[in-house]
Amino acid sequence: AQKVTQAQTEISVVEKEDVTLDCVYETRDTTYYLFWYKQPPSGELVFLIRRNSFDEQNEISGRYSWNFQKSTSSFNFTITASQVVDSAVYFCALDDYKLSFGAGTTVTVRA
Amino acid sequence: EAGVAQSPRYKIIEKRQSVAFWCNPISGHATLYWYQQILGQGPKLLIQFQNNGVVDDSQLPKDRFSAERLKGVDSTLKIQPAKLEDSAVYLCASSLRGRGADMEQFFGPGTRLTVL
Repeated sequence: AQKVTQAQTEISVVEKEDVTLDCVYETRDTTYYLFWYKQPPSGELVFLIRRNSFDEQNEISGRYSWNFQKSTSSFNFTITASQVVDSAVYFCALDDYKLSFGAGTTVTVRA
Repeated sequence: EAGVAQSPRYKIIEKRQSVAFWCNPISGHATLYWYQQILGQGPKLLIQFQNNGVVDDSQLPKDRFSAERLKGVDSTLKIQPAKLEDSAVYLCASSLRGRGADMEQFFGPGTRLTVL
């Protein structure tokens, strides 16, 4: 069974638009960790954020923000005022006993 | 601080040949991971080491894949013999710890393997 589901396969926006990436996860554990990674065209996965299951506070880092809702098992990611450099594949991942990645969402930001 | 190093970056082989990938983790990171990323998919964990011991190799096809982490630092992943479906990017990652604080995994650039 898929542990992490990323609803959107591809999203294309024009620069300065906001982009929201959906992530829904499934686990029976009460202690788990959620992550977002960015994979630019160069291929190297870049760590963006980690959240543990006991911390439902939303977080903002510059133009990036994350919304964690345990009640709906979702951990969504928003890029505000997107830029061309945000073009990449974004992965949501769940670590309950090992790290499982979603299939990824390809974000294309057009100038 | 130097990141995770991997070599080679690209490799093309014919099916039934063998191939080996090398990974040097971030200095001081006790946990090392190998992932397989098939085009259009998320990475899939193949094996996890804690120092030089194996923590999880449940998804490693042991009939053809092997990995070792001698001395608890760098690691080698081998495929012998390779099949067409092994064409993928092989990613190495490391973390300071396996769980809890400092568990974030940092990834290397990957080795793109093409099996013809």
